[in-house]
Amino acid sequence: DQQVKQNSPSLSVQEGRISILNCDYTNSMFDYFLWYKKYPAEGPTFLISISSIKDKNEDGRFTVFLNKSAKHLSLHIVPSQPGDSAVYFCAASADSGGSNYKLTFGKGTLLTVNP
Amino acid sequence: GAVVSQHPSRVICKSGTSVKIECRSLDFQATTMFWYRQFPKQSLMLMATSNEGSKATYEQGVEKDKFLINHASLTLSTLTVTSAHPEDSSFYICSASERRNSNDEQYFGPGTRLTVT
Repeated sequence: DQQVKQNSPSLSVQEGRISILNCDYTNSMFDYFLWYKKYPAEGPTFLISISSIKDKNEDGRFTVFLNKSAKHLSLHIVPSQPGDSAVYFCAASADSGGSNYKLTFGKGTLLTVNP
Repeated sequence: GAVVSQHPSRVICKSGTSVKIECRSLDFQATTMFWYRQFPKQSLMLMATSNEGSKATYEQGVEKDKFLINHASLTLSTLTVTSAHPEDSSFYICSASERRNSNDEQYFGPGTRLTVT
């Protein structure tokens, strides 16, 4: 049972354009969401997060939007750069502020930004 | 950000042998460490959560007798795959966190590629 779903295994965009990565979840207990970037043979690197009390969080070129009613979040990267090419994982936690903040990951979306 | 290392980065072992993977937090004390495994084109699957000085909490379906986790100090956790079989071949990643109340400060190691022949 996949509680966090990234339905697009891959996405290709042109440099300078916007990249939109989508993520859906099924567990209504999730209250904290994170995006990680991962290069081959490396561990994930934290990018940006959002609490369920917000619907938008922005950090430089990265913006995460959360639609709780639709159980959907998205990561926007603008402008996209070739160095952004990586696998992006969406992750969720159900224990915000607690001591056991296990992360549940989606399968990832491979983003390719073409020069 | 904080640095987490894993050793070895790659290991090949024969079926039936045991393999130990180390996860170290290099510049902070990790109150909690997590172990994940990832199959090709799959998500990171949490295997277990360990807190320093206490027994690890395993996720459903993970055999605790097969995947031994020891979190003996605030900077070191080890995962031992006992009696490894080819189906245990995977990418194992650890993560560590300094604080109990923060969701985003979970730092990942570079991962260990295990191949069982």
